[in-house]
Amino acid sequence: GAGVSQSPSNKVTEKGKDVELRCDPISGHTALYWYRQSLGQGLEFLIYFQGNSAPDKSGLPSDRFSAERTGGSVSTLTIQRTQQEDSAVYLCASSQKAQNTGELFFGEGSRLTVL
Amino acid sequence: TQLLEQSPQFLSIQEGENLTVYCNSSSVFSSLQWYRQEPGEGPVLLVTVVTGGEVKKLKRLTFQFGDARKDSSLHITAAQPGDTGLYLCARKRGNTPLVFGKGTRLSVIA
Repeated sequence: GAGVSQSPSNKVTEKGKDVELRCDPISGHTALYWYRQSLGQGLEFLIYFQGNSAPDKSGLPSDRFSAERTGGSVSTLTIQRTQQEDSAVYLCASSQKAQNTGELFFGEGSRLTVL
Repeated sequence: TQLLEQSPQFLSIQEGENLTVYCNSSSVFSSLQWYRQEPGEGPVLLVTVVTGGEVKKLKRLTFQFGDARKDSSLHITAAQPGDTGLYLCARKRGNTPLVFGKGTRLSVIA
């Protein structure tokens, strides 16, 4: 596709359930990022993938959060045993590579609501 | 730790007015980016500034990077309702991922 695609756009789940969020980056982009945006907050970095290198997981808030990127393209962010504080918009972005001045192209986000 | 401070947090102005929003840090940036985010969408890049003292213009938007590369400002001339959105600054240091500020939420009333 022409842009970064995320699914689902909206997800409502019950506390304690697991959720998977998907990101399909722009074709040819080697760097992929996950950010979280809570209500009224800026973007909080979660994890990023660069090519075949080990991902930078330094932003993951707990071990309930994990992400993988298969074949250097599509990525899935998994949240296990969801909590109400996990409610947020999860944004995925991609860039050609993790350059110093590289532009990030964002998807529209997946809005997660944990009841 | 909030590495980037943006001010003001909220701004509501009338169409045609001028405004300036700020992005500050105690750390030196290798580069700084400004993004605009509209409701229900992801942020979109407006500009990247790299050199201390740099000024870039994008139509009615003027971006300035401080001489010491620790701060930046965005000035909008004759604001329009289409300028409404969340303005985010983001800084890069080395190969670390972009770090974003909390943003300034701008509302331009017709």
